[in-house]
Amino acid sequence: KQEVTQIPAALSVPEGENLVLNCSFTDSAIYNLQWFRQDPGKGLTSLLLIQSSQREQTSGRLNASLDKSSGRSTLYIAASQPGDSATYLCAVYSGTYKYIFGTGTRLKVLA
Amino acid sequence: EAGVAQSPRYKIIEKRQSVAFWCNPISGHATLYWYQQILGQGPKLLIQFQNNGVVDDSQLPKDRFSAERLKGVDSTLKIQPAKLEDSAVYLCASSLGLGPNEQFFGPGTRLTVL
Repeated sequence: KQEVTQIPAALSVPEGENLVLNCSFTDSAIYNLQWFRQDPGKGLTSLLLIQSSQREQTSGRLNASLDKSSGRSTLYIAASQPGDSATYLCAVYSGTYKYIFGTGTRLKVLA
Repeated sequence: EAGVAQSPRYKIIEKRQSVAFWCNPISGHATLYWYQQILGQGPKLLIQFQNNGVVDDSQLPKDRFSAERLKGVDSTLKIQPAKLEDSAVYLCASSLGLGPNEQFFGPGTRLTVL
């Protein structure tokens, strides 16, 4: 059974700092991994989707990497801004036609 | 391109009452998902439709929850009767089709059961 873990659960950083969010999964037989952002009281916004054959994806200040063999993905945010404050969720697609979500990392970027 | 629409955005009900949520997916998306997100947790899949057929409802509490997508477009999720533990955000998402496709989420409906 696939389990997805995100550490840390919460993180506070000063503005301008580069930071890394972690996502671990127990079953390495995944098809893809998706990173989402969730603002308070809002739905999920897709940030990056990495296919199982890819090692990384980039969008602006965001870079997501995938290491299937070790069951890990990282989301790197460069030069963080207060507007990056949100909860970041990862989800893996494996096995039975569905995404399994982690519990998220709540990020606060201090001005 | 219009996104996934959901209504209502907020709902407060007493326990044992009934409630229904509505979702309109992105045009052309064949697959529709309903998720339950309890505070502090990640979304949990309740039910997945491919057009108007159910693909996966293994985590749907069928004694009180029901969902339909009669014409393969809009969908409704109903809870009857509601329990305190049903307080959560109910998220609808859609994707082009079955398989590991990118999912797009609506804004969610926040349900509070008193």
